[in-house]
Amino acid sequence: DAGITQSPRYKITETGRQVTLMCHQTWSHSYMFWYRQDLGHGLRLIYYSAAADITDKGEVPDGYVVSRSKTENFPLTLESATRSQTSVYFCASSEPAGGHNEQFFGPGTRLTVL
Amino acid sequence: GNSVTQMEGPVTLSEEAFLTINCTYTATGYPSLFWYVQYPGEGLQLLLKATKADDKGSNKGFEATYRKETTSFHLEKGSVQVSDSAVYFCALSRSGGSYIPTFGRGTSLIVHP
Repeated sequence: DAGITQSPRYKITETGRQVTLMCHQTWSHSYMFWYRQDLGHGLRLIYYSAAADITDKGEVPDGYVVSRSKTENFPLTLESATRSQTSVYFCASSEPAGGHNEQFFGPGTRLTVL
Repeated sequence: GNSVTQMEGPVTLSEEAFLTINCTYTATGYPSLFWYVQYPGEGLQLLLKATKADDKGSNKGFEATYRKETTSFHLEKGSVQVSDSAVYFCALSRSGGSYIPTFGRGTSLIVHP
């Protein structure tokens, strides 16, 4: 499918378990992003990547790990899930041609940590 | 640093009412400005954008004008529909340098029949 996809769409896990959220885009955009969305906090940037093998921290990176070995994939791993990581996670991509940098978002993954 | 401030919601309107959602920003240089919309259970999608001062972005009956003198990008629609119920996010992105966008906190719009 063309576009940006996330999997799984819903995930329930337990405290202390490792969880990986997947993100895949078909446009070969150079930039990819992970956000979490919580009531009262809007969107908060977790990590971003400017290209394959280049990643950097966002506003709330603690407890998360990312990698980007291929341009099209940007997985997000929670190494040891905590209840405070219960949230909706959005992946996004962009290609900042001309500095416009509009973002294309995936449908989100709703994660519940029990 | 960059920041975006938008009015808190929820904004509750009756169908066919006029909508304004205020957005102001702080940024160095000449950012591009965006409005995104998030329908229930979905990701954000671009609604409209403007890339330079005095530009007007428009889409689906929504409009916003890039006002550099007041550092604002207010979203307007002349006649809202129930289907416009969603969360609206104002955002900016600088040209050159950091391509990390800055988002406002979002404004929930509820339109009643």
